[in-house]
Amino acid sequence: DAKTTQPPSMDCAEGRAANLPCNHSTISGNEYVYWYRQIHSQGPQYIIHGLKNNETNEMASLIITEDRKSSTLILPHATLRDTAVYYCIVSLWGTASKLTFGTGTRLQVTL
Amino acid sequence: GAVVSQHPSRVICKSGTSVKIECRSLDFQATTMFWYRQFPKKSLMLMATSNEGSKATYEQGVEKDKFLINHASLTLSTLTVTSAHPEDSSFYICSARDLVSYEQFFGPGTRLTVL
Repeated sequence: DAKTTQPPSMDCAEGRAANLPCNHSTISGNEYVYWYRQIHSQGPQYIIHGLKNNETNEMASLIITEDRKSSTLILPHATLRDTAVYYCIVSLWGTASKLTFGTGTRLQVTL
Repeated sequence: GAVVSQHPSRVICKSGTSVKIECRSLDFQATTMFWYRQFPKKSLMLMATSNEGSKATYEQGVEKDKFLINHASLTLSTLTVTSAHPEDSSFYICSARDLVSYEQFFGPGTRLTVL
């Protein structure tokens, strides 16, 4: 699986958009980009995933560059409950998928 | 959303004893489950892939005789830490891959403390 690079930490004011970047320059053509988050002492929570196109759901938006070498997770209106470690993972889909976690970005949302 | 449970949520045991952790998919079936370990302030480390009805596949450096995995049904996988030692103290997390949607859902984790 391709390796990802994320900034170790970021701050965001409550109510503002949080933009979390991820580099995955060695991603292969059939690998998806997944985002999970982990709130302290809990299991990871799925946020969103995509292959080429930008994706949006009720939690977030995922913007993938045209060359697929990087992506950005956008939380449109961050709240204190969004404080967590966010993991960007690249993996195959289906029966070959295996999620390998990197170091992630610790997002701190402040008042 | 799909739910994965783990039992127990927290366990304390004496050095040399064995501990079993259960991972259940409550509202979906999973032919494949995964076991992770997480040390304080560190990321999740994949330990093994558990396949229903067959032997688990262990990641490099993980002792298969120490961490016994059984996946006897489409909704249950167990991890047994044998002859536990203090260095095995960690947060153990399982995940289950839905056999229809292929989405992967995580359990809440089990905190193991070995005295």
